[in-house]
Amino acid sequence: EAQVTQNPRYLITVTGKKLTVTCSQNMNHEYMSWYRQDPGLGLRQIYYSMNVEVTDKGDVPEGYKVSRKEKRNFPLILESPSPNQTSLYFCASSPGTGGPSRYTFGSGTRLTVV
Amino acid sequence: GQQVMQIPQYQHVQEGEDFTTYCNSSTTLSNIQWYKQRPGGHPVFLIQLVKSGEVKKQKRLTFQFGEAKKNSSLHITATQTTDVGTYFCAGPPDSWGKLQFGAGTQVVVTP
Repeated sequence: EAQVTQNPRYLITVTGKKLTVTCSQNMNHEYMSWYRQDPGLGLRQIYYSMNVEVTDKGDVPEGYKVSRKEKRNFPLILESPSPNQTSLYFCASSPGTGGPSRYTFGSGTRLTVV
Repeated sequence: GQQVMQIPQYQHVQEGEDFTTYCNSSTTLSNIQWYKQRPGGHPVFLIQLVKSGEVKKQKRLTFQFGEAKKNSSLHITATQTTDVGTYFCAGPPDSWGKLQFGAGTQVVVTP
């Protein structure tokens, strides 16, 4: 089944403790992206990647890092999480340039930083 | 990506009634997409409209792309509790592949 897999689904952590949210897609998509969703603010893009080793900042990149060493994986790293990063996070992928632009989203990761 | 504005932000609907949500842009869009996010779920692609004046139907959902390709609408007839969720529109991706999502219309259905 074509899908984007995020882990974990729920995470509670303490301020300053480094964490990684994993994202993997099995559709050979070139484009991958991370979004955060907060009440009243919609979907805001954190980082995106157009292909392996090509990443760039989205609208709200502060406090986050990403890497794209393989086409299928696009982990989101919070080096020193803070309470304002408590949010619902989604990974999404699409075929990229030259293909249909529809996004496939992962199931989401609800992160709480205390 | 091209900015899209969605109205209304919230919509309370009595079960069985119809409602419409709108997506507007100040510039011409080459295409527009619609997504649905159920409560506690993730956004799921519904449809893409490409042609001027295009109308597509999915059961009780009717999607329309304006003649000028600057607006789109989603009309739901005979609303059911399964229609609960947030509906997002998105303009075409920019040169980097980024979709610009609207803020969404949150739909609550009262039995």
